[in-house]
Amino acid sequence: SYELIQPPSVSVSPGQTTSITCSGQNLGDKFATWYQQKAGQSPVLVIYQDTKRPSGIPERFSGSNSGNTATLTISGTQPIDEADYYCQAWDSGTAAFGTGTKVTVL
Amino acid sequence: EVQLMESGGGLVQPGGSLRLSCAASGFTSSTYAMTWVRQGPGRGLEWVSSISGSGGDTYYADSVKGRFTFSRDNSKNILYLHMNGLRVEDTALYYCARSTGIGVSDPSDLWGQGALVTVSS
Repeated sequence: SYELIQPPSVSVSPGQTTSITCSGQNLGDKFATWYQQKAGQSPVLVIYQDTKRPSGIPERFSGSNSGNTATLTISGTQPIDEADYYCQAWDSGTAAFGTGTKVTVL
Repeated sequence: EVQLMESGGGLVQPGGSLRLSCAASGFTSSTYAMTWVRQGPGRGLEWVSSISGSGGDTYYADSVKGRFTFSRDNSKNILYLHMNGLRVEDTALYYCARSTGIGVSDPSDLWGQGALVTVSS
């Protein structure tokens, strides 16, 4: 099965920029999707098709995908961005989620 | 209001069966692919299964293939996840999610609150 690996956690100060990586074989040849999940809540779509933001998602969220790595970047991180973030992609008729990254805003 | 509401969760013994339902409201579910995603206690998200808008195509994770069946009744706007041969490791909160389009690989932009399934003796 397809594996997507993320760092377990990242810490960031308010107002700073943080990036979360998602590594998978030839991930750049697929579309990467990113979900945000706050404690006790259902996931929310924040990035799809590598770089696109759904309506209502702040511009500080951006994405890229190339080679074996997709990246979610949060510019000017806010305390409300503290959450778990998961990447996701499809490969050979099955979907895979990344291992998840906990973003802590200190 | 556009929403998804899961039901049917509960406590079941290993080897038992359960049927989850996902009721869609505020939109016509037949025009969207749908997905089940689960999250074990303290664990990350795990894709379980996806179904095309027509219901003609279904896809399953290896961990549930042959045991779970995803179906939909578009006339009632309800989706079902039939779970047989349940194992302790199937214990999780099961989310129903709507894709942005008819393709199963389209991202999910609407999620329910989840139904809790506990498999234990």
